[in-house]
Amino acid sequence: QVQLVQSGAEVEKPGASVRVSCKASGYTFSSYGISWVRQAPGQGLEWMGWISAYNGNTDYAQKVQGRVTMTTDTSTNTAYMDLRSLRYDDTAVYYCARDYDILTGYRVLDSWGQGTRVTVSS
Amino acid sequence: DIQMTQSPSSLSASVGDRVTITCRASQIINNYLNWYQQRPGEAPKLLIYAASSLQSGVPSRFSGSASGTDFTLTISSLQLEDFATYYCQQSYSTTWTFGQGTKVEIK
Repeated sequence: QVQLVQSGAEVEKPGASVRVSCKASGYTFSSYGISWVRQAPGQGLEWMGWISAYNGNTDYAQKVQGRVTMTTDTSTNTAYMDLRSLRYDDTAVYYCARDYDILTGYRVLDSWGQGTRVTVSS
Repeated sequence: DIQMTQSPSSLSASVGDRVTITCRASQIINNYLNWYQQRPGEAPKLLIYAASSLQSGVPSRFSGSASGTDFTLTISSLQLEDFATYYCQQSYSTTWTFGQGTKVEIK
């Protein structure tokens, strides 16, 4: 079965960087993409961006553009999300999700990781 | 960015009730609309895609419909496990956006 296992919780200072990893299993990793979604405490879901594990193409949300980099390592079936210049409002649970072509040209997020809590605190 | 506006932001209902949640897109999205359920402390789960297609394994009491830029999620007979927060999400543009969520609580 499809499984996405994320790295553990992180506490970082403002201005620092954080890397969250997402290790995939149960499917052909390079055939699909990975999206990253975050959720601030008590708030809704915010889509951050997407990376194709096939060719490395990315799309990022405007809000994090310039501070985020998404990458994949097909040798280890792992996706990474790097966020730089952390601010207090980056405190959130970060989820990775498989970006799946459920219909030709139609993608959904059909399997999710367990979430990684990132706390930005001085 | 395309804005997605859900209503209501919360509702109280009883087991067995019919529940309807609405999502409005700020522009035409050609039914590129998905619904997710999130229970407390859990990751979201895909329920409905392409406005009205039921994801495999999701109970048939969940359904979706569309009319222009307005989309509806209906739960025909609310069960205990359905008390959760529901999010719509558009995948029409290259940058995706979610609605703000609708929390379904027990009356």
